Amino acid sequence: QVQLVESGGGVVQPGRSLRLSCAASGFTFSTYGIHWVRQAPGKGLEWVAIISHDGSSQHYADSVKGRFTISRDNSKNTLYLQMNSLRAEDTAVYYCARGIYSDYWGQGTLVTVSS
Amino acid sequence: DIKMTQSPSTLSAFVGDRVTITCRASQGISSMLAWYHQKPGRAPKLLIYRASSLESGVPSRFSGSESGTEFTLTISSLQPDDFATYYCQQYNTYPHSFGQGTKLEIK
Repeated sequence: QVQLVESGGGVVQPGRSLRLSCAASGFTFSTYGIHWVRQAPGKGLEWVAIISHDGSSQHYADSVKGRFTISRDNSKNTLYLQMNSLRAEDTAVYYCARGIYSDYWGQGTLVTVSS
Repeated sequence: DIKMTQSPSTLSAFVGDRVTITCRASQGISSMLAWYHQKPGRAPKLLIYRASSLESGVPSRFSGSESGTEFTLTISSLQPDDFATYYCQQYNTYPHSFGQGTKLEIK
């Protein structure tokens, strides 16, 4: 069955970096674009970024552009989100989600940016 | 950027009621709209894509429709499992913006 499993979350100080991973299984990873979506505590969903199936194209929300980088390794069936210059407002559960309209989601990983 | 405006923000209803949630796009999105629901502590779940296509395995009491830039999610007869927060999302143009959510509560 399709599975997406995020990891790499934790507590980090403002200005520091963190890399999230999303391990995929149960489908042909290299044929799907994948998103990152986040949700701050008690708030709604915010789309963060997307990468094309082959990694050749990426798009970002304005709130993370220039600080976050989405990438993938199709040989490892893994998606990444490199987060630099983290701010308190980046505190959220980060989900990876498959496909243009996100038919499968991971369980999320919590990132807390705090001193 | 395209802004998605959902209404209402909160909705109280009884089991068995018919309810509708509306999502308005600030510009045309060519039917590229999805609906999700989310329960506390859980990941969102896809219900509807391309404005009116029912995702596999989703009960037929859920339906979607569109009229121009206004999109509607209808639940024909609420079940206890349907009380959750509902989100629309456009995926026509980057950034793929979400509505602010509609919390559906038991009356």
